[in-house]
Amino acid sequence: KQEVTQIPAALSVPEGENLVLNCSFTDSAIYNLQWFRQDPGKGLTSLLLIQSSQREQTSGRLNASLDKSSGRSTLYIAASQPGDSATYLCAVRGGYSTLTFGKGTMLLVSP
Amino acid sequence: DAGVIQSPRHEVTEMGQEVTLRCKPISGHDYLFWYRQTMMRGLELLIYFNNNVPIDDSGMPEDRFSAKMPNASFSTLKIQPSEPRDSAVYFCASRRTGGNTDTQYFGPGTRLTVL
Repeated sequence: KQEVTQIPAALSVPEGENLVLNCSFTDSAIYNLQWFRQDPGKGLTSLLLIQSSQREQTSGRLNASLDKSSGRSTLYIAASQPGDSATYLCAVRGGYSTLTFGKGTMLLVSP
Repeated sequence: DAGVIQSPRHEVTEMGQEVTLRCKPISGHDYLFWYRQTMMRGLELLIYFNNNVPIDDSGMPEDRFSAKMPNASFSTLKIQPSEPRDSAVYFCASRRTGGNTDTQYFGPGTRLTVL
């Protein structure tokens, strides 16, 4: 059974810092990996999707990398802003259509 | 597009009562997923449908939970009878086969409190 772990569980940084969120998964036979953002009281919004054949994806200040063989992914956020404060979830898709989620990293960026 | 629509947004009920959560997926999406989110267990898949047919309900916690998708634009998740441990946020998500993205689109969720 696939298990997804995210470290750290919570992170607090001052505005402007670059930061890295970590995700690890136990079964490397994945179809793709996604990073989602969840704001309090809201649903999830997909940020980046990396196919199993890819190494990284970039969107604006966000960069996600994937090392499938070691079962790891990182989400890099450059020049963090207070608006980046949210919970970030990592999810992997196996051979079927379902996603397995980590419990998330709660990020607080203070002005 | 209005996105995935869920109702109600909040539900407070007493133990033993029947609860029905509703979801309208994005038009044209052929997959629909029901998730439950709690602090302890995170986000868990309960059941998913493809073309209105239930494909995998192995995540449904017990017989008190049931889900239906009578047509491509509507799904329900029913809990009968409800228990305090069912208190959680329930999300519906939908996805379209093909295209250049595999992304699931989530609704805003229903926060259920069972007293």
